[in-house]
Amino acid sequence: QVQLQESGPGLVKPSQTLSLTCTVSGGSISSGSYYWSWIRQPAGKGLEWIGRIYTSGSTNYNPSLKSRVTISVDTSKNQFSLKLSSVTAADTAVYYCASGWERVDYWGQGTLVTVSS
Amino acid sequence: EIVLTQSPGTLSLSPGERATLSCRASQSVSSIYLAWYQQNPGQAPRLLIYGASSRATGIPDRFSGSGSGTDFTLTISRLEPEDFAVYYCQHYGSSPPVPMYTFGQGTKLEIK
Repeated sequence: QVQLQESGPGLVKPSQTLSLTCTVSGGSISSGSYYWSWIRQPAGKGLEWIGRIYTSGSTNYNPSLKSRVTISVDTSKNQFSLKLSSVTAADTAVYYCASGWERVDYWGQGTLVTVSS
Repeated sequence: EIVLTQSPGTLSLSPGERATLSCRASQSVSSIYLAWYQQNPGQAPRLLIYGASSRATGIPDRFSGSGSGTDFTLTISRLEPEDFAVYYCQHYGSSPPVPMYTFGQGTKLEIK
């Protein structure tokens, strides 16, 4: 059973870069069994897929965020990471790391990131 | 880009009743790539149904999914107290320009 845990600052200033890490346990990120995704959810709103990475390092991003997003993987630490640049208040949300292929089989518990000065 | 529209926005029912939730796609999609999730307050979503009609591991058989083309349905045959939550449908599009995971806006199932 794959388990995912997000970590990173809960408060980011406007115009700065949001950085989160997801630590994977119960399975190897190098196994090639899944894509590894980031998904976010503003308070009281729906889910938005941000992007994903495969063990090879191949990435796909939501076109609406592509210019600001970088997802990377560190197989030696069994982690993958999200960087979102030039954040504004609209980026305030619960950020989930997740895994799956055409669906999301496993979710982290989520971490709230607030963008505020 | 495919848009998923869920209805109703809120559904008020009593325990023991049958719930029918709808997800409509803006264009025909493969049912292989249609999934449903349940989300309780303060928790991450949980996969319920994939491939439009296959239950995920550990999901009770009172949950069922159906549909094809543009119209998909999640049915809960007899509501239990723990079923009152928000439900999302999701589509995976593998076509160019990029693969995309698209979610509906959600249906809130509340106790009447």
